[in-house]
Amino acid sequence: GAVVSQHPSWVICKSGTSVKIECRSLDFQATTMFWYRQFPKQSLMLMATSNEGSKATYEQGVEKDKFLINHASLTLSTLTVTSAHPEDSSFYICSAGTSGIYNEQFFGPGTRLTVL
Amino acid sequence: GQQVMQIPQYQHVQEGEDFTTYCNSSTTLSNIQWYKQRPGGHPVFLIQLVKSGEVKKQKRLTFQFGEAKKNSSLHITATQTTDVGTYFCAGRGNTPLVFGKGTRLSVIA
Repeated sequence: GAVVSQHPSWVICKSGTSVKIECRSLDFQATTMFWYRQFPKQSLMLMATSNEGSKATYEQGVEKDKFLINHASLTLSTLTVTSAHPEDSSFYICSAGTSGIYNEQFFGPGTRLTVL
Repeated sequence: GQQVMQIPQYQHVQEGEDFTTYCNSSTTLSNIQWYKQRPGGHPVFLIQLVKSGEVKKQKRLTFQFGEAKKNSSLHITATQTTDVGTYFCAGRGNTPLVFGKGTRLSVIA
């Protein structure tokens, strides 16, 4: 299957700082990327849908000014957690959608964010 | 909005026993996908079902999509320790994928 990478795989930061997470599709072009948040032992919660060259579509309850998403190219989307607080600590996973017959999503390995 | 409910939340089985997880949507789906997430890992796509009443098999795994395209099930025959993980269904209506809460499977050797 297609490969999606995420960087960094884990990050620890101080409260009030900003953290950028990169999501790359390595061997295919992803017109759409999705950002999820997953708390321990819970399901994936969709945060936003990112389309190349346009503004992201945020799910209800997700602050767009706090979680900045940029989808600058067909292979790269970034999520920036601005002014992070301890409650932002979570596992952030991106996925990239294909336009193929299966229309499946390929998930990155995730980024574990810990805010002190 | 669209909701996807999945049961049971947890399942502990003895190795060799069968396992089934069920998924129900509040709305009719265009397709449903199943993912497996190993402990500490990320979701991995297993299969997609599109047609009403569709049944697909992957070795010991059998996936079904209901006639009304609102429910689905995953059945594992004769579980093995390698089956351990959380199984998520994800339904697509007129929205991006909506994930169920997942069923965490533990297999006791």
